[in-house]
Amino acid sequence: DAMVIQNPRYQVTQFGKPVTLSCSQTLNHNVMYWYQQKSSQAPKLLFHYYDKDFNNEADTPDNFQSRRPNTSFCFLDIRSPGLGDAAMYLCATSRLAGGSTDTQYFGPGTRLTVL
Amino acid sequence: GNSVTQMEGPVTLSEEAFLTINCTYTATGYPSLFWYVQYPGEGLQLLLKATKADDKGSNKGFEATYRKETTSFHLEKGSVQVSDSAVYFCALRGGNTPLVFGKGTRLSVIA
Repeated sequence: DAMVIQNPRYQVTQFGKPVTLSCSQTLNHNVMYWYQQKSSQAPKLLFHYYDKDFNNEADTPDNFQSRRPNTSFCFLDIRSPGLGDAAMYLCATSRLAGGSTDTQYFGPGTRLTVL
Repeated sequence: GNSVTQMEGPVTLSEEAFLTINCTYTATGYPSLFWYVQYPGEGLQLLLKATKADDKGSNKGFEATYRKETTSFHLEKGSVQVSDSAVYFCALRGGNTPLVFGKGTRLSVIA
C-alpha cells in the first residue's frame, strides 16, 4: 500500500562521513523531490528531478547531491555531513513538474543524526 | 513570488473544542491550496486540498474553503480529538513551481 518509501527511517552518521538516503515510489510519478526539515520549521526544498532532468535550488549547498537511476528510485547523497545537516529529510513525488492542481505525496522521512 | 502565512502556534485546545487555524496566501494566477499534517516523528500527509475559488476541501472532519476574495484557506474542525495533535502546514502550488509551505502550526489537544 505504501506509495513513497524512505529507507532507513533513522540514520546516524559521523561528522564528515558520507551518507546516502534512499527514496522509492510505486506511483510511477515523473517528479521526485528532496526536502530538508529542521526542528519546528517548514520543509525546505533542496532539489527535484523531472524524469532525468535535475533541478537544483539556488541555495542548496554543494555538499548535497542527488541521483535518480530510474523512475522509481532517487537518492540523496551528503558528501561531508556537518552538525548543521542533522534534520529530517523528506522525499516527495508528483505526476507533473507544474500544473497547480497536481498533488505532492510525501514519504515518512529519514531522520539524520550527525555525531 | 508566492508565499503562505499561517497563524503561529502552539495552539492548545481541550478535546471536543472547535479548531480554526488561519492561513492566507499571496500568489499570482490561480494556485491550488493544500493542508498537510505531520504527526510526531512522521512525514507529511495530505489532509485536504482545493484547486479553485470557492472549493471546499474536507477530510477526517477537517474543512477548508478557498476564498479568493480574502486570499485565505483557513482550516476548521468542529470537535478536535487528542489524536489530532500534530503540526499542520498550509501550502500552495501555482504554475510551474513546487509547493510553497507556511511555517506550520503545532496543535496540542488535551483530554
